Amino acid sequence: GIQVEQSPPDLILQEGANSTLRCNFSDSVNNLQWFHQNPWGQLINLFYIPSGTKQNGRLSATTVATERYSLLYISSSQTTDSGVYFCAVPTGANSKLTFGKGITLSVRP
Amino acid sequence: DTEVTQTPKHLVMGMTNKKSLKCEQHMGHRAMYWYKQKAKKPPELMFVYSYEKLSINESVPSRFSPECPNSSLLNLHLHALQPEDSALYLCASSHWETSYEQYFGPGTRLTVT
Repeated sequence: GIQVEQSPPDLILQEGANSTLRCNFSDSVNNLQWFHQNPWGQLINLFYIPSGTKQNGRLSATTVATERYSLLYISSSQTTDSGVYFCAVPTGANSKLTFGKGITLSVRP
Repeated sequence: DTEVTQTPKHLVMGMTNKKSLKCEQHMGHRAMYWYKQKAKKPPELMFVYSYEKLSINESVPSRFSPECPNSSLLNLHLHALQPEDSALYLCASSHWETSYEQYFGPGTRLTVT
């Protein structure tokens, strides 16, 4: 099946810093989701981005489908950005999401 | 409204108990999902319902029994669970026809004693 790798596994930032989170996938995909899981376990949709670039406030994402990677940019990080960031791609009949192992982000005040 | 709700938020049950988890969405989505997530791991798919019919069962033990009474509601019935079944159980939904983007509920944190 498709493999999804995220890097780095852990990231510590000072508040206000910028960061780039990476997601590589082993096969072509027709969509990709980025999620933020907060400390209470809620998975929050960040982007649904099969290709191209999208922006939402301080966050933006770029997927280069032909090169099989996606990047999530966080600018001017805040302590509330802390948590685990997952990327996920569909496999099979487009209903099953395969998740990467996640990137744990800690933003310190 | 992109909200999926789950009840209860927390559940503690003994190995001989029977309990149920409930998930609801009112976005008109026709696919609903159950995921299991252990600590420091990504979510793992358990079941998929599309148009109220079970379409994927990821070889889940029979002590987990899903039910989809209507297009807005998804239940997970639990019976004779083991301590290793303790986890965060997440429900999700997607439109299915026009988009496979999945929206997740806040989860039920289950502890089996």
